[in-house]
Amino acid sequence: AQSVAQPEDQVNVAEGNPLTVKCTYSVSGNPYLFWYVQYPNRGLQFLLKYITGDNLVKGSYGFEAEFNKSQTSFHLKKPSALVSDSALYFCAVRDYNFNKFYFGSGTKLNVKP
Amino acid sequence: GAGVSQSPRYKVAKRGQDVALRCDPISGHVSLFWYQQALGQGPEFLTYFQNEAQLDKSGLPSDRFFAERPEGSVSTLKIQRTQQEDSAVYLCASSRTGGTDSPLHFGNGTRLTVT
Repeated sequence: AQSVAQPEDQVNVAEGNPLTVKCTYSVSGNPYLFWYVQYPNRGLQFLLKYITGDNLVKGSYGFEAEFNKSQTSFHLKKPSALVSDSALYFCAVRDYNFNKFYFGSGTKLNVKP
Repeated sequence: GAGVSQSPRYKVAKRGQDVALRCDPISGHVSLFWYQQALGQGPEFLTYFQNEAQLDKSGLPSDRFFAERPEGSVSTLKIQRTQQEDSAVYLCASSRTGGTDSPLHFGNGTRLTVT
């Protein structure tokens, strides 16, 4: 069965500092991994994906994620956080049958001025 | 706009009432998904369409839940005899293809409150 885990309910970081939001996954077969962001009362917005290739994936709004097969992790990173990055972040894995995304429980990112 | 549109944005239903939630996907998107998001949780899969065919409905919690996409575009999620545990945000998402590299594009959701 496919699943993802986000071990931190909340991450606090000061504006300008680097941020990391953690995600680990469990899949049978090749992992197809995604990060989404959700602002209050809005749907989820796609940030980036890992399908194959380079382990460092770059996405929207300056975010990047590092795929680590040995640690089964796909952590989201940004070199310099902005207050506007404060939101709920979800890691997801797509089922090898293509038709389901399994989402983590989400991590609330708080960036303080 | 070019995004996924859901209506209504908010729905309050009395227990036992039937509700219908509408989703207009991005034009030309083949795949359409319904997810249920409880407060403070990640989205949970309900059902999946490829064009008009419902290929997976394994996530529907009971036979009170029914989804359709008769012409391969607009989709409706219907909940019969609503219960309080049905209260959640219902998210619709579409993707251009059914391929593994195709991300989901989400609507803003319908927040259902059953009283």
